[in-house]
Amino acid sequence: DAKTTQPTSMDCAEGRAANLPCNHSTISGNEYVYWYRQIHSQGPQYIIHGLKNNETNEMASLIITEDRKSSTLILPHATLRDTAVYYCIVRRPFDGSGNTGKLIFGQGTTLQVKP
Amino acid sequence: DTGVSQDPRHKITKRGQNVTFRCDPISEHNRLYWYRQTLGQGPEFLTYFQNEAQLEKSRLLSDRFSAERPKGSFSTLEIQRTEQGDSAMYLCASSPGTGLPFFGQGTRLTVV
Repeated sequence: DAKTTQPTSMDCAEGRAANLPCNHSTISGNEYVYWYRQIHSQGPQYIIHGLKNNETNEMASLIITEDRKSSTLILPHATLRDTAVYYCIVRRPFDGSGNTGKLIFGQGTTLQVKP
Repeated sequence: DTGVSQDPRHKITKRGQNVTFRCDPISEHNRLYWYRQTLGQGPEFLTYFQNEAQLEKSRLLSDRFSAERPKGSFSTLEIQRTEQGDSAMYLCASSPGTGLPFFGQGTRLTVV
């Protein structure tokens, strides 16, 4: 699975959009970008994933560059409850094709949402 | 609550003691994973089960660690002769096959 690079930490004002970047220059054609977050003292929580098209769900939007070497997770209106560590993970899809299903986490980005 | 359940949430033990943690996966999830997370680091994969079969073990899983899933439902992770370096959060996750994994709240182990 490809390696990712994320900033160690970021701040965001409450109510503003939080844009969390991730570099994955060695991503392979069949690898997806997954985002998880971990609020303090809790287990990681799935946010969103994508292959090459931009994706949006009720939690966030995911923008993947055309060359797929980087992506940005967008929390459109950050709240204090979005303060967490955000992990960008690149891996083959969870599609039942026989892969292990395990996740390789980096250190992630600590997002601090401030009032 | 139908999510992944872990017990206990917190455990303090003296060095040299044995500890056992339990994980109850989401019903009908046949895959179960254990991770360890030390302070300031992301979770690290330890091992996973498909039903009752343990299919992969990380090098992190020393011979003091043993995991079981005897009936393909709940799982236990035992650490024998605990060391201070074992202090960490132990996370369990489950998935339907190789589908998206869902994590529990973790067990925080402190070895004093």
